[in-house]
Amino acid sequence: EAGVAQSPRYKIIEKRQSVAFWCNPISGHATLYWYQQILGQGPKLLIQFQNNGVVDDSQLPKDRFSAERLKGVDSTLKIQPAKLEDSAVYLCASSFAGSDTIYFGEGSWLTVV
Amino acid sequence: GNSVTQMEGPVTLSEEAFLTINCTYTATGYPSLFWYVQYPGEGLQLLLKATKADDKGSNKGFEATYRKETTSFHLEKGSVQVSDSAVYFCALLTSGTYKYIFGTGTRLKVLA
Repeated sequence: EAGVAQSPRYKIIEKRQSVAFWCNPISGHATLYWYQQILGQGPKLLIQFQNNGVVDDSQLPKDRFSAERLKGVDSTLKIQPAKLEDSAVYLCASSFAGSDTIYFGEGSWLTVV
Repeated sequence: GNSVTQMEGPVTLSEEAFLTINCTYTATGYPSLFWYVQYPGEGLQLLLKATKADDKGSNKGFEATYRKETTSFHLEKGSVQVSDSAVYFCALLTSGTYKYIFGTGTRLKVLA
């Protein structure tokens, strides 16, 4: 069974530039998550989707971050404009609706210089 | 509020040593508890879980018991291997709202 796919794996951008990350969840998983993991810290939830609706985006910095999940499958996370403190790994995860087990992708590593 | 506290790393052990990584939590209601492992350059993988008090989760020689009275979920392994070197995250899933909250992670390094 294919896992959660993410791209790109690595990205280096200058501050004030924009970047987009893509995620394809495991087939059949209705719930999709984006987490931010800063070096030395645990993952922090940015946004949670149930199908194509937003369940929780309370920790998403909405002045610069946006995310969408059109058609309830793939999702894109965008940062514009990027700041130095956005340097982190962006983890996508998915699960069956109501399941307590979530499956993570390998992450997209962002460095803002 | 809900939170997870893990012992700080790094933890450095010799091969075949006994491992304990402490984890305590604060939560309302009855959360489920998890240990995730992250190998270098990879995403997090579920290692084990326990969904109610006194449950013991186990996988690949690792164990953790859900202790409600001490609000703890310590990870143990009797004999670690070099291949166990990774970062271990304790996490809870809040009941009702279904939110995952992760600890800060504990890096384990096992020396041959």
